[in-house]
Order: sequence, then structure tokens, then C-alpha cells
Amino acid sequence: DTGVSQNPRHKITKRGQNVTFRCDPISEHNRLYWYRQTLGQGPEFLTYFQNEAQLEKSRLLSDRFSAERPKGSFSTLEIQRTEQGDSAMYLCASSLAGQGNSPLHFGNGTRLTVT
Amino acid sequence: SQKIEQNSEALNIQEGKTATLTCNYTNYSPAYLQWYRQDPGRGPVFLLLIRENEKEKRKERLKVTFDTTLKQSLFHITASQPADSATYLCALPRGGSARQLTFGSGTQLTVLP
Repeated sequence: DTGVSQNPRHKITKRGQNVTFRCDPISEHNRLYWYRQTLGQGPEFLTYFQNEAQLEKSRLLSDRFSAERPKGSFSTLEIQRTEQGDSAMYLCASSLAGQGNSPLHFGNGTRLTVT
Repeated sequence: SQKIEQNSEALNIQEGKTATLTCNYTNYSPAYLQWYRQDPGRGPVFLLLIRENEKEKRKERLKVTFDTTLKQSLFHITASQPADSATYLCALPRGGSARQLTFGSGTQLTVLP
């Protein structure tokens, strides 16, 4: 169990640019989640995959956000035309379906700063 | 709408004392509740899960209670240590599943030596 890995750890970008983050979940986990966290707040749910299927999306996920999980392994989260309000920590988590109430295993996040 | 509230102020306690953190929720009937620990610059780490039919759960120096009538969970750390200093988050499933786990804003705990 090598844990959930996220890259990059930090990203600074200018407003209007596109950015892409990667998440490698724990290998046997079939559920993958993206959350966003701002200072002083708890993580907010963005989207969820079971294997390669994106099953749920939050209303927070505007048209500028897209997530993929090809082949049900790693996932990418892309933000197009970034805005200053997108500055946050983007957290990825994974869990194993079939284990009732299974806890989420989080990565250490990608901190995005939009200037 | 569904709402989760945790101690709004940071909590400072002396080493060796028991820390008690509160999580209140409204307009929920969760089947379970989870507690996580988060250190600065890191992702949350799962600590404990308690189900609606369990009144209390323990793990080493940690104890969680779950009162579905009061809609409240209490999280206790006994014999606290400076290494326990962190932000503690409670989380509940939205819609009765783990697919959308909703987090409180957390309580920042500092244990003073």
C-alpha cells in the first residue's frame, strides 16, 4: 500500500490558463473522489468515479472542470480558463467499494494558486 | 438544507488533559459518521467510524460518541500529547452512501506542553 499519490504538489498559474492535476489511487481501490478545500474549510466534494465511470458530479463542478479516469486506474482533473476563485487545495481520495462505509484514503493534494 | 457544525473556535488544552470536540448536524439522518485528522499541508487521515446503532467507539486514546437524538457526535482524546495537535474533521454521508461524504469545517486543536 503506497498510498494515494497526487502530482504536482503545487501549481502556480496565471488567470485564463489551463491546468491539469493527476491522482494515482491505491491500486486495489475502485472508487476515486476529487475534493476541493479552501483555507479554514473542510473538503468539498467535486466528483466520484467507480472504476472508469464518473457517477456523480457536484454542482460546484462548473463547465470549466473536467475529470477523467481512463481504464479505471489514475485520474486527471483539468481546469480550463482558470479564475482566481479556483485557488484551493485539490484533494484526491480512493476507497474500496463493497466494504460498507469504507473510509476515504486521501492524497496530500495539489495546491493551486491562480494569479 | 443539510448542515454540519464543529467547534467554531480553535481549542487549546494542556498536555495530559482530555480534549473534547463537538460535531453537530441538522437535516441529516446519517447511517454513520466518520472522524478524520488533518495536519497542515496534508490530506485528511481517517481515524474512526461510528454507526447509528453504536453509542460509543474507542480506539487507543480516542473515543467517539454518536447521539442520533441530539444529532451530535463527540470526539475525545484522552491523555493528550503535543503530537495530537491538528485539525479534526467530522464527516457524514449525503444521501445515505459514502459516495458524497460531507465534511465539517474542522476544529483546530493545539495541545500545549
